[in-house]
Amino acid sequence: EADIYQTPRYLVIGTGKKITLECSQTMGHDKMYWYQQDPGMELHLIHYSYGVNSTEKGDLSSESTVSRIRTEHFPLTLESARPSHTSQYLCASRGTGRNTEAFFGQGTRLTVV
Amino acid sequence: GQQVMQIPQYQHVQEGEDFTTYCNSSTTLSNIQWYKQRPGGHPVFLIQLVKSGEVKKQKRLTFQFGEAKKNSSLHITATQTTDVGTYFCAGANSKLTFGKGITLSVRP
Repeated sequence: EADIYQTPRYLVIGTGKKITLECSQTMGHDKMYWYQQDPGMELHLIHYSYGVNSTEKGDLSSESTVSRIRTEHFPLTLESARPSHTSQYLCASRGTGRNTEAFFGQGTRLTVV
Repeated sequence: GQQVMQIPQYQHVQEGEDFTTYCNSSTTLSNIQWYKQRPGGHPVFLIQLVKSGEVKKQKRLTFQFGEAKKNSSLHITATQTTDVGTYFCAGANSKLTFGKGITLSVRP
């Protein structure tokens, strides 16, 4: 069982609200990722991090921001939620070295009304 | 970055039939990973291929890395309903970007 956790699992929020999606892992992984995925669709990389104080934008333009102050924590923040942000957000982490499989959290299903 | 492509996006098979899907890249990949995502679930790592021409098997699943390290295949022998889901490949550089995935449905 992977030790990576996302909260909340489900969130319904009004337009214009600020929200933070939490992601934590206890595996000591340096690399962490955020993906946006609509049901049955592809995984869009929106942010990633190689370690503490390192954050990069992914391939999909996103109005969200991330921070990486601690190795185990990689929160995603939406300053002003819009209905177009309705989606599933998946967090993943990977270690370094030969075994570089990614472990995914259970996801946060966000609905903006 | 290393972009991988998966076509088609959907495939329907009769239970018991074999299934093969491909992952292609325009550039040489250092390695490739395959993941499976069950409906309503999150992606789960299946395998990583590193060497040119490498073949790995997991029960009824066979994974192959092309000789030029620009493509990979996943073959499922005698599909079962438990094989239903979306299979993603990823060029496993630091950025970890995924192909669009192929969603497999199996008719019992």
